[in-house]
Amino acid sequence: DSGVTQTPKHLITATGQRVTLRCSPRSGDLSVYWYQQSLDQGLQFLIQYYNGEERAKGNILERFSAQQFPDLHSELNLSSLELGDSALYFCASSVVPAGGSFTGELFFGEGSRLTVL
Amino acid sequence: AQSVAQPEDQVNVAEGNPLTVKCTYSVSGNPYLFWYVQYPNRGLQFLLKYITGDNLVKGSYGFEAEFNKSQTSFHLKKPSALVSDSALYFCAVRDRRGNTPLVFGKGTRLSVIA
Repeated sequence: DSGVTQTPKHLITATGQRVTLRCSPRSGDLSVYWYQQSLDQGLQFLIQYYNGEERAKGNILERFSAQQFPDLHSELNLSSLELGDSALYFCASSVVPAGGSFTGELFFGEGSRLTVL
Repeated sequence: AQSVAQPEDQVNVAEGNPLTVKCTYSVSGNPYLFWYVQYPNRGLQFLLKYITGDNLVKGSYGFEAEFNKSQTSFHLKKPSALVSDSALYFCAVRDRRGNTPLVFGKGTRLSVIA
């Protein structure tokens, strides 16, 4: 058990809908990362937050947004869903942000599997 | 921009034989390199990392990886494969400079056959 909790584990919805994925990082970790895993694209970095502030942005669509709350949990909001958004969405956490001299590993949750029909 | 290539989608090896999972990387400076493993229906788990020093890095479950700067490679190895090693393996890289998150390869599925 990595200590990172993601909910829901599975989600089935229709095109055009909006969903929210939730992540609770490990106790003490200030940094949260969101990744999307799909068969054709592999593991793609979406966005990173550190202590409530956005630190880095990757291949995140404009239809997607995220935030990190004062209690350090994070939510990833996916709207106007398309079939191609079906994927496994991972949250990871670390004590410090991945930048500069950070050499530590990320701790991943078990993911939220989104199916868009 | 940093990138990782895992040239093999699938690696098959017999139990007890040595295994190698290949990874090459591209970064503008010196890299931090990582290997992660993903078992079915689970998140990624950290295996090992190269930061500096000895080019041969030892990690969890008997895995090791060799950093080769001239070939920009970081291949994952294990002297004797177990059936329980069957999983999806990801190589990841990060540039030491700036605020850059981990960039992952597409993964290599390892199948160890009894």
